[in-house]
Order: sequence, then C-alpha cells, then structure tokens
Amino acid sequence: QLVLTQSPSASASLGASVKLTCTLSSGHSSYAIAWHQQKPEKGPRYLMKLNSDGSHSKGDGIPDRFSGSSSGAERYLTISSLQSEDEGDYYCQTWGTGIQLFGGGTKLTVL
Amino acid sequence: EVQLVESGGGLVQPGGSLRLSCAASGFTFSSYWMHWVRQGPGKGLVWVSRINNDGSSTDSADSVKGRFTISRDNAKNTLYLQMNSLRAEDTAVYYCARSALNCSGGSCSPSNYYFDYWGQGTLVTVSS
Repeated sequence: QLVLTQSPSASASLGASVKLTCTLSSGHSSYAIAWHQQKPEKGPRYLMKLNSDGSHSKGDGIPDRFSGSSSGAERYLTISSLQSEDEGDYYCQTWGTGIQLFGGGTKLTVL
Repeated sequence: EVQLVESGGGLVQPGGSLRLSCAASGFTFSSYWMHWVRQGPGKGLVWVSRINNDGSSTDSADSVKGRFTISRDNAKNTLYLQMNSLRAEDTAVYYCARSALNCSGGSCSPSNYYFDYWGQGTLVTVSS
C-alpha cells in the first residue's frame, strides 16, 4: 500500500538550514513526489516536483533557498537561510493511476 | 496569472446539501484535470475528487463516493462540487487544485499528476 510518512514537526534557527523528509512506503521507492507549503490560514502553495533521481523542477517564484534531493525511498526538502516567513506546514504529495495521496505534513517552526 | 477562487461554503445541517464552485482564470481551463482537496480543522490535506479535462471521467475518495459529485463547465471556466447527505465529518476547508500537465519528449498532456496551483479555500461547516 502506498503511504507517505512525514515527521510531525521540525524546528531550526533563523538563518540556518533545515531538511524535511518524506518517506515512501516499501516497494514504491521509484515514485516522484511534490512538495507544498502551507502558511497559517492560507491555501497550499506548490514548491517543487522531485523525482527519484533527485532532479526537481520548482514552481513559479520559488526562491533558490528551496531545494530537493532523493535517496532510495526518501525525498528531502532543504530550506537554507531560513526566514521567519518559511514557518508553516509542509506536505508531500504523490500520485498514480487512480491515486492522489498526501503525507501527514510537517510543521516547521523557525526559532 | 493563474487564479483559482472557491466559493459556496457555509453552515449546513447534517443531511443537507451544498454546491461549491471554483472559478479559474489565467490559463486554458479545458486543458487541465482538476481536483477538490479538503482539510479538516487542525488536520492534513485529503484528496476528495478529480475530473479529467473534458469532464468525461471522474473519481472520488471512498469517504464521499455516492454523496459528492464533481463536474465542470469549460465554457464558464468553473469547477463544481455538489455535496449531498452532508455529515459532521465533512466539516473542512475545501480547496480546488489544478493538475500539472505531464510533459515528456517535448509534448504535454493533461493527466492525474501533481498539483501546481491551489485556490485559497472555502469553509464548509456541517452542524445542527
């Protein structure tokens, strides 16, 4: 069964870097995912599509501070030079024939 | 600029009905698959329903099958979600989202793909 697993929370200091993880369930390590950011009381915003080989394509206007990488079944979102505006929830998404699935989300706190 | 604007949410009693709309602009609406996604209070994102670009094919999550119907009017650039037999557990913010085009080898086609644009959401509250 296809499942996306994310840690519920993460935190990092202003100006530092943070790496968020989305893990695909066993047998699904070839799947691409997308990362989305959601700020409080706002709709989600697409950040990037991330392939199993680590190649990624970002959405319009997404800063270079946001990057993606992959290793096996793990998909990563790295945010460098953290700013207060990066605080919010981050969701990974995957898809397939007849499937649309989200991870549980990671709440990022910028200290 | 791509814009998706939901409307139609509100307070409804259990067993009642509501129709949500999503007005699209800034892109060729008829070329994209569209989706509804919901988010319960303090919860994560949950996919609800999808429709292909010409409206000939739809699919929904088991939790809403038989109660919710997705449709679209490509002439009006509008996506709909008809919600019947509403339950307390349907209380959520409902978002419409666009599936990106699947591009390969220089050509792109509409498909069930990742979401590249979202609306701001409309709140549906089911309560007596």
